[in-house]
Amino acid sequence: AQKITQTQPGMFVQEKEAVTLDCTYDTSDQSYGLFWYKQPSSGEMIFLIYQGSYDEQNATEGRYSLNFQKARKSANLVISASQLGDSAMYFCAMRDAGGTSYGKLTFGQGTILTVHP
Amino acid sequence: GAVVSQHPSWVICKSGTSVKIECRSLDFQATTMFWYRQFPKQSLMLMATSNEGSKATYEQGVEKDKFLINHASLTLSTLTVTSAHPEDSSFYICSADGDTLPYEQYFGPGTRLTVT
Repeated sequence: AQKITQTQPGMFVQEKEAVTLDCTYDTSDQSYGLFWYKQPSSGEMIFLIYQGSYDEQNATEGRYSLNFQKARKSANLVISASQLGDSAMYFCAMRDAGGTSYGKLTFGQGTILTVHP
Repeated sequence: GAVVSQHPSWVICKSGTSVKIECRSLDFQATTMFWYRQFPKQSLMLMATSNEGSKATYEQGVEKDKFLINHASLTLSTLTVTSAHPEDSSFYICSADGDTLPYEQYFGPGTRLTVT
C-alpha cells in the first residue's frame, strides 16, 4: 500500500525567504508519480509541480522546485522568494502506475504555510 | 487549461433530506472522475472513483447506499448524499484526470455541505 507522510502540520516563513515543505513516501512500485497541490482558504486545489519516478532531474516550475531524493523516498517542495499569497495548505500526493492516467492519488496530511510580511 | 466545475458551491439542507452535487468537465471529456471529502484542516479522503457508463468504485468504509454516484456522460458525474445527517457536513471535492502528461488531476472548486 502507498503512503505519503508530511510531518510538518504548520510552517512559518518570512516574505521573500525560501521555505521547504517535507514529504516522504512509501511504495513498492518502481514506477510512480509525485505531485504537489496548493489549497488556499477558498478550497480550490491548485496543481503546482510533478516529478516522475524515472525523472533524473528535479522538477522546477517558476518559484517551485521539487527536491527529489529517490533513495530516501523524499520529495520535498521548495518555494523560493515567498509571497503573502503563498499562504495556504500544501499537499503532497502520489500516483502509482508510473504516473500514467487514471490512477488514484494518495494524499499526505498537508502542511499549512503562513507567510509573514 | 482543463476546467472542472461543481454545483452548488455551497448548500444547506435539513437532516433526513437528500442533496445532489454535480461535477462537470467543461472543456474536456472525463472518463474517470474522483470524489473526495475533506474536513477542516485535514487531508482529502477519496470516497469513490466514478467511471463513465459503469458503477462507481467505493473506497473501504464509504457507504455506497448513502453516497450515490452516477457518471452518466463523459462530462458529468453526480454525488447524491441520501438521508443526510449533521455528520455528513463536510467539503466535497471532485476531480477528473487530465489527458496529457503529467496527467494531473483537475479539481473542481468544491461544495460545502451543511446539514442542520
